[in-house]
Amino acid sequence: GAGVSQSPSNKVTEKGKDVELRCDPISGHTALYWYRQSLGQGLEFLIYFQGNSAPDKSGLPSDRFSAERTGGSVSTLTIQRTQQEDSAVYLCASSLDYTDTDTQYFGPGTRLTVL
Amino acid sequence: GESVGLHLPTLSVQEGDNSIINCAYSNSASDYFIWYKQESGKGPQFIIDIRSNMDKRQGQRVTVLLNKTVKHLSLQIAATQPGDSAVYFCAEKMSRRKAAGNKLTFGGGTRVLVKP
Repeated sequence: GAGVSQSPSNKVTEKGKDVELRCDPISGHTALYWYRQSLGQGLEFLIYFQGNSAPDKSGLPSDRFSAERTGGSVSTLTIQRTQQEDSAVYLCASSLDYTDTDTQYFGPGTRLTVL
Repeated sequence: GESVGLHLPTLSVQEGDNSIINCAYSNSASDYFIWYKQESGKGPQFIIDIRSNMDKRQGQRVTVLLNKTVKHLSLQIAATQPGDSAVYFCAEKMSRRKAAGNKLTFGGGTRVLVKP
């Protein structure tokens, strides 16, 4: 079946502009995660959605970052007033989230470059 | 997604040899550990996992070893092939009885280069 998809694959923007990144999880997966991967650093957790529960936003680096998940499926990560330090690959993952060992499947990522 | 490019520890291995990738994890309360493989331009791909009540688990050509005493995880790849060239990340998480959600904490990654 189809895996996690993300769009766009690449996004170049100017400092100060807002960007929206989209994630389509695997059909039937109730949990959705956003991670960020920066050059010279590993993957860092940003936000987690599980079903209809309030999202875990503990990883968002600032209030310029927000995310929503509509209808329990597609998610959009929004970065307002982008800064150069926001340049990174933004990865989305989804899982069934029924047990502690459910595998998180990752999408290909969106490479964001802030000029 | 492109892998982390700069300042990654690199393991060069001859094709056909065995590879061992090491990871020191941070949280003694973690219950579950995963190894991911990330090829250039792609997202991380699940390889193998292990629960904290185990110390070894084997898959196809891969073995994960867990030493909770020293908080160390390793991934062994048998008969390394050119297709194994990638960046490998370990990840850890706590069970839900300890923490809300299934968020993963990732290690910094190791680049494996397979020489023909």
